[in-house]
Amino acid sequence: EIVLTQSPGTLSLSPGERATLSCRAGQNVSGKNLAWYQQKPGQAPRLLIYGASSRATGIPDRFSGSGSGTDFTLTISRLEPEDFAVYYCQQYGSSLAPFGGGTKVEIK
Amino acid sequence: EVQLLESGGGLVQPGGSLRLSCAASGFTFSSYAMSWVRQAPGKGLEWVSGISGSAGSTYYADSAKGRFTISRDNFKNTLHLQMNSLRAEDTALYYCVKVADSSGYWGYHFDNWGQGTLVTVSS
Repeated sequence: EIVLTQSPGTLSLSPGERATLSCRAGQNVSGKNLAWYQQKPGQAPRLLIYGASSRATGIPDRFSGSGSGTDFTLTISRLEPEDFAVYYCQQYGSSLAPFGGGTKVEIK
Repeated sequence: EVQLLESGGGLVQPGGSLRLSCAASGFTFSSYAMSWVRQAPGKGLEWVSGISGSAGSTYYADSAKGRFTISRDNFKNTLHLQMNSLRAEDTALYYCVKVADSSGYWGYHFDNWGQGTLVTVSS
């Protein structure tokens, strides 16, 4: 079973700053089968990135994903007020589909 | 527009059972794998179970194996999760989730989420 570790647990930044979120897998994630989701309080999660780097429909281009193997990154180039939320990575493509523990991006 | 509407949550005693349902619309239900994901109060997301479009293959997290059963009715466009031997740690908001690819195969990301149904396990 792949364990996904997200860091940092909390990221305190100001609007306009760049956010870099990390997701590290305990073993190789085949085929770049890694997704990122955003969740705001009281809402269901929303798909941002799949295939490690492909943006989902309607996702602004300030969101980008990169990485392969065991190390993946979600970057938000310039934080907008609506981007302050919790972000989760997820591995898929095998019989299990675990999530990471999440990174909260909060306003500094 | 894809719609996923969960129901069946509620308060149940430890050791009890509950059956969750998810009514799906806005897409060809049988063409897509589906999943259940839960979120305990104030905690992160936990994948629980998945099922292929044809219902021929099912998948479970270790926490659900042997206690939960996922199923689907492709005629009624409905997904189910039968939960037995419930424990306090099963208390969570349970989301019904659609898998992205129309092949019906399980191994893809999740592209649509319902609003969830709350399960509380307590005496």
